[in-house]
Amino acid sequence: EVQLVESGGGLVQPGRSLRLSCAASGFTFDDYAMHWVRQAPGKGLEWVSGISWNSGSIGYADSVKGRFTISRDNAKNSLYLQMNSLRAEDTALYYCALGPAMDVWGKGTTVTVSS
Amino acid sequence: QSALTQPASVSGSPGQSITISCTGTSSDVGSYNLVSWYQQHPGKAPKLMIYEVSKRPSGVSNRFSGSKSGNTASLTISGLQAEDEADYYCCSYAGSSTFYVVFGGGTKLTVL
Repeated sequence: EVQLVESGGGLVQPGRSLRLSCAASGFTFDDYAMHWVRQAPGKGLEWVSGISWNSGSIGYADSVKGRFTISRDNAKNSLYLQMNSLRAEDTALYYCALGPAMDVWGKGTTVTVSS
Repeated sequence: QSALTQPASVSGSPGQSITISCTGTSSDVGSYNLVSWYQQHPGKAPKLMIYEVSKRPSGVSNRFSGSKSGNTASLTISGLQAEDEADYYCCSYAGSSTFYVVFGGGTKLTVL
């Protein structure tokens, strides 16, 4: 069964950092691009970042560029999102999603940025 | 890059058909046949319903169909059922020289 499990969320003060992880199983991880997508409370989906299968192509939403860094470890079947200089507006449920068409999604991990 | 434009809400009665539009620009929807649609029920993760404009993943009902004309993509749901009531999001690849994706603001479908 294809499965994505996010972790690493929590309550953090503005300006601090957090690292999210996404553990993948049930498919050949290094065959696929991966994405991070977030959803603020009561709001719509927002693409955050994406990475190609070999990390050769990476992109970020303008709202996080320069603050967030996506990476992957194909040997560990894992996707990461390093989030620095966090702001209140980064508060959201963060999902990882599989493939260029985001075929499969995890259940998400909640990030709350508040003092 | 701006979000794609979707109507905030649509509604229909059981058995009817509805269409949700998704308007972008020549830099995203108009340039790539990489439009996807996602269904999200309250408290649940999004589910892929349509990819590459009009392709249905295995297991998705053929009541769901997608199309595109110029800078506007559309999702049509025929034979509306109560369980179709959900939020729907369109999404398009938008990168030319870089990896970039943009979502629509979402549409709340109410089955009357």
